[in-house]
Amino acid sequence: NAGVTQTPKFRVLKTGQSMTLLCAQDMNHEYMYWYRQDPGMGLRLIHYSVGEGTTAKGEVPDGYNVSRLKKQNFLLGLESAAPSQTSVYFCASLGVSNYEQYFGPGTRLTVT
Amino acid sequence: RKEVEQDPGPFNVPEGATVAFNCTYSNSASQSFFWYRQDCRKEPKLLMSVYSSGNEDGRFTAQLNRASQYISLLIRDSKLSDSATYLCAVNPEAGSARQLTFGSGTQLTVLP
Repeated sequence: NAGVTQTPKFRVLKTGQSMTLLCAQDMNHEYMYWYRQDPGMGLRLIHYSVGEGTTAKGEVPDGYNVSRLKKQNFLLGLESAAPSQTSVYFCASLGVSNYEQYFGPGTRLTVT
Repeated sequence: RKEVEQDPGPFNVPEGATVAFNCTYSNSASQSFFWYRQDCRKEPKLLMSVYSSGNEDGRFTAQLNRASQYISLLIRDSKLSDSATYLCAVNPEAGSARQLTFGSGTQLTVLP
């Protein structure tokens, strides 16, 4: 039981490049979330999903797209990376029985 | 005004001290409240939920004051291992896909 995993752990992109971050959970959770964390800003919600095939915008969705084709996976895409997207990205999942969000280990992304 | 605000600290306290953090929230309809702990360069992990009646887990006590719209975390007999950033999190309202709004965190360093 791995919980929530994220790949890759680190990535450096040049401005304008694209990439996809993968989040996978093996807890059969319905809800999944993508956050970014910047110094002094706390965790800010980018997009979230309440079940397979559903996605919705969070607080800071611009510049990102997501997909939830399988219940266990939640993908975050950057179509054209910008330096402002340099951040640590965390994925989290949540079951229906409580409010404890389980977080993945994070992806450190630098856009130059 | 931010939805969830915390004093960023840092709080530097000696081992054995008692330290308290507060977190204010702006949405009076908020339903659920939590404290998360985040170690340096790691993912947040749930420390404790905050119940209306207050709750205690060992050296940690969490309280909710709905009238003044804040939650608090008290740590007694601080240990070196308590050094971390403490994030408060609030579920804004019912039916909100169990989203959490996080404060920016309070940094605690326990000194020998």
